[in-house]
Amino acid sequence: NAGVTQTPKFQVLKTGQSMTLQCAQDMNHNSMYWYRQDPGMGLRLIYYSASEGTTDKGEVPNGYNVSRLNKREFSLRLESAAPSQTSVYFCASSPGQGLFPNTGELFFGEGSRLTVL
Amino acid sequence: SQQGEEDPQALSIQEGENATMNCSYKTSINNLQWYRQNSGRGLVHLILIRSNEREKHSGRLRVTLDTSKKSSSLLITASRAADTASYFCATDYSWGKLQFGAGTQVVVTP
Repeated sequence: NAGVTQTPKFQVLKTGQSMTLQCAQDMNHNSMYWYRQDPGMGLRLIYYSASEGTTDKGEVPNGYNVSRLNKREFSLRLESAAPSQTSVYFCASSPGQGLFPNTGELFFGEGSRLTVL
Repeated sequence: SQQGEEDPQALSIQEGENATMNCSYKTSINNLQWYRQNSGRGLVHLILIRSNEREKHSGRLRVTLDTSKKSSSLLITASRAADTASYFCATDYSWGKLQFGAGTQVVVTP
């Protein structure tokens, strides 16, 4: 049981380049999330998806786009990378969805370490 | 701004000692969760305490929640070297959107 799988694990980009981070979960969870982690800042929510076909902005969505391709997959795209987007990106999933308060835990992937030069 | 803030930022203890870290938050919450992150790895859920609960235990972990003070504490008893990690509190303040603090870095030396 793989849980939440992120690819790639490491990536170096030049300013202005684009790339997509992939995330897949095999737990049949409804909700999926993208966070970024920066030193001293904790994790900040970029985008989330409450269910297949829906996405919504988190705290720091600027410069990113997401796609909930199906129930399993949730991708994060950087259209024109900037040095400020150098970070560790985490995908997570949880069983909850929709209007009901999500009182469950999040399951995290191992992270994707992105450097933008 | 961050909803949850941990204190202290770093903690160094010896094996067998207890480790206590605190989390303060700003707005009403549905629940509060604690996560552990080993170096270079993803976060792992430790324990969840709901807003109507005051204390919860899981193995060597004890979590308290004081909603009047908007604060929570995590106690790890009889620490082991394997407990070396960063610990984060996360508050569920608005449908499933967890907001994380900056974390407490715990080092347990043999």
